[in-house]
Amino acid sequence: GAGVSQSPSNKVTEKGKDVELRCDPISGHTALYWYRQRLGQGLEFLIYFQGNSAPDKSGLPSDRFSAERTGESVSTLTIQRTQQEDSAVYLCASSFSGARYEQYFGPGTRLTVT
Amino acid sequence: QKEVEQDPGPLSVPEGAIVSLNCTYSNSAFQYFMWYRQYSRKGPELLMYTYSSGNKEDGRFTAQVDKSSKYISLFIRDSQPSDSATYLCAMSPGGTSYGKLTFGQGTILTVHP
Repeated sequence: GAGVSQSPSNKVTEKGKDVELRCDPISGHTALYWYRQRLGQGLEFLIYFQGNSAPDKSGLPSDRFSAERTGESVSTLTIQRTQQEDSAVYLCASSFSGARYEQYFGPGTRLTVT
Repeated sequence: QKEVEQDPGPLSVPEGAIVSLNCTYSNSAFQYFMWYRQYSRKGPELLMYTYSSGNKEDGRFTAQVDKSSKYISLFIRDSQPSDSATYLCAMSPGGTSYGKLTFGQGTILTVHP
């Protein structure tokens, strides 16, 4: 079946502009996650949605970052007033509620802020 | 200090070698321990997971967790060129933070023919 998809695959933006990144999880997965991966680094947790519960936003680095999820489907990560340090690959993952250790990742969105 | 430490390598081995990868951690609340494999320009994929301490084997891969030492390992036997990738350890405390994974930096592995 279809895996996690993300769009766009690449995004180049000017410093100060807002960007929206989209994630389509695997159908039936109630949990959805966003991570950031800087060059040569591991993944950094950003935010986690589980069903109708309040999202865990504890990893968002600043109030310029926000995310929404519509029901148990699409999620968007928004970065306002982008800075050069926001340049990274943004990865989305989804999982079944009972197996949150087994996260299925999308290919990521490579964001470059110039 | 990071919660999870992993030597980034790079590690280069000949085909057929036994590879040992490891991570140390500081958060004693971690209960779930995973190894993910990431090929270049792809998202990570789960290789192995272990709950609490112990060993787990799956084909050529063995994962070990020693909670008393806060140390986890992944062994790859009879390594193949197709094993060349970045290997990331990941951990979770369970409970309400079950899905919140903390990753190591990743170890870059190259297996040459």
